[in-house]
Amino acid sequence: KNEVEQSPQNLTAQEGEFITINCSYSVGISALHWLQQHPGGGIVSLFMLSSGKKKHGRLIATINIQEKHSSLHITASHPRDSAVYICAVRPGNQFYFGTGTSLTVIP
Amino acid sequence: EAGVTQFPSHSVIEKGQTVTLRCDPISGHDNLYWYRRVMGKEIKFLLHFVKESKQDESGMPNNRFLAERTGGTYSTLKVQPAELEDSGVYFCASSRTTANTGELFFGEGSRLTVL
Repeated sequence: KNEVEQSPQNLTAQEGEFITINCSYSVGISALHWLQQHPGGGIVSLFMLSSGKKKHGRLIATINIQEKHSSLHITASHPRDSAVYICAVRPGNQFYFGTGTSLTVIP
Repeated sequence: EAGVTQFPSHSVIEKGQTVTLRCDPISGHDNLYWYRRVMGKEIKFLLHFVKESKQDESGMPNNRFLAERTGGTYSTLKVQPAELEDSGVYFCASSRTTANTGELFFGEGSRLTVL
């Protein structure tokens, strides 16, 4: 069983929709990362958070350390948001990654 | 400031051949990590350098994989001889600090296809 579980695995949304991607983890951590990978591209770090909520543009990330759960929200989704979103946690020096959520936003 | 750069972006080799992947971390980042994503699976840790020293290589799959970071700057990951199951995307990442809250910067990845 993977230390990090994401849901859903695949998500298709209409442009403008509000999107939520969930991440649950089973290890103790001090920080959780949300990463974005565009098709054929590298990985970009979106957020690093250890408590509460962070907002960057239309992206919002929340974390509940006690429940070992984090969510990534995208408001007013746009086709350029289409990518794989990956949750990663770092209990020590190593990172553990979720399998990713493949998001497709249709115009 | 240049980001993490990896070379080559894509390599196609035959089973039994050798491939060397290179990673140039962000200047000043002592910590360098190698990760691998095999098709359909999650990204997996391979190893971690602090400067030129291997801090943790517990994720290296077997002795066909050799990573080096001579001089503590760029790193190479050599696969010899390559097997079909080595196909995947190899990501390099760097960070300035080893603290658990240190931000990690990823490269574009090197896609390896073993035929």
